[in-house]
Amino acid sequence: GDSVTQMEGPVTLSEEAFLTINCTYTATGYPSLFWYVQYPGEGLQLLLKATKADDKGSNKGFEATYRKETTSFHLEKGSVQVSDSAVYFCALSGLAGGTSYGKLTFGQGTILTVHP
Amino acid sequence: GAVVSQHPSWVICKSGTSVKIECRSLDFQATTMFWYRQFPKQSLMLMATSNEGSKATYEQGVEKDKFLINHASLTLSTLTVTSAHPEDSSFYICSARDRREPGNTIYFGEGSWLTVV
Repeated sequence: GDSVTQMEGPVTLSEEAFLTINCTYTATGYPSLFWYVQYPGEGLQLLLKATKADDKGSNKGFEATYRKETTSFHLEKGSVQVSDSAVYFCALSGLAGGTSYGKLTFGQGTILTVHP
Repeated sequence: GAVVSQHPSWVICKSGTSVKIECRSLDFQATTMFWYRQFPKQSLMLMATSNEGSKATYEQGVEKDKFLINHASLTLSTLTVTSAHPEDSSFYICSARDRREPGNTIYFGEGSWLTVV
């Protein structure tokens, strides 16, 4: 079955440091890939997504590129802020527009803490 | 953008009672919604797929009779935890698929914290 493996955390950085959270996946076909963020005490928010190979999703300074050859979707940000402290989840779903789209398989989550 | 709303956000119930959680798509019709469960410091696990007008599809290991799902309208799915026990205490979150938007955007509700005492 489908699976998502995320870099284990927690990750602790100083403000303005470079962030990378690794994510690799196993899936049949051509999944859609997502990064979600969960701030303390809140639900999930979509951070970015990519629906086909070589697509780059970006939002709020975060980027991730869908790499089919390495089955990866690593999250990066050039300069993190204290407000980026949260739990980040990598996830995959079936092909956009397909019947299984929306049924998400999540990675284990990575806790990010950014210090001033 | 589209919004999915869950209610209640927090609920405490006594062991042995049932509790209902609602998931509403506020400005779009959702023929399919999804229910997830998240234990503390763990990832989200899909419990079931809620299909409007038909039975829900449950993931392996999820008890159908304990977690009743009803999707009676195109904007509302409900999850009822029956005969709740302390081990059912968890964060429950729903999502809905908006087919109108490119790529069928998925929106999550705010989640519901259930504590069974």
